[in-house]
Amino acid sequence: EAQVTQNPRYLITVTGKKLTVTCSQNMNHEYMSWYRQDPGLGLRQIYYSMNVEVTDKGDVPEGYKVSRKEKRNFPLILESPSPNQTSLYFCASSLRAEQYFGPGTRLTVL
Amino acid sequence: GESVGLHLPTLSVQEGDNSIINCAYSNSASDYFIWYKQESGKGPQFIIDIRSNMDKRQGQRVTVLLNKTVKHLSLQIAATQPGDSAVYFCAGEGLTFGKGTHLIIQP
Repeated sequence: EAQVTQNPRYLITVTGKKLTVTCSQNMNHEYMSWYRQDPGLGLRQIYYSMNVEVTDKGDVPEGYKVSRKEKRNFPLILESPSPNQTSLYFCASSLRAEQYFGPGTRLTVL
Repeated sequence: GESVGLHLPTLSVQEGDNSIINCAYSNSASDYFIWYKQESGKGPQFIIDIRSNMDKRQGQRVTVLLNKTVKHLSLQIAATQPGDSAVYFCAGEGLTFGKGTHLIIQP
């Protein structure tokens, strides 16, 4: 089954404790991206990757890092999480414009 | 940069009625637009897309209309069902999303 998976689905952590949210797709898509979704703000792009070893900042990259060492994986790294990064995060991959989204990761930073 | 937005944050319709969700954009260079549906607790899912050289595209119970003159597109859902209750997003080329319209189905 074609899908995008994210882990963990839920995470509660404390300020400053490094964390990684994994994202994996099995569709051999070149393009992958991360979004955060907050009430009243819709989906905002954090980072995207056009292909392996190619990553670029989206609209709200501050406080986040990503890597793309292989096509199927695109982890999101928060080196020092802060409470304003409490949000719902979605990973997505696409071949053209149509994106396939993961189930979401709800992150709470205390 | 591109701006894609939706007109109304919430739209309430009676079950069985038709729904129309609107979206405006600012980037005339967009080659296509996409509508996504996001159900509660899930990630957005593709519904339908339309290329800029078209003004109408139909799917199963859904129709997207594109008016390039006024930079407006709409999503029409026929005979709305309870399962249509969700937040609907439009996205333009460059993958910019509007804030979404929450479609509420009244019994």
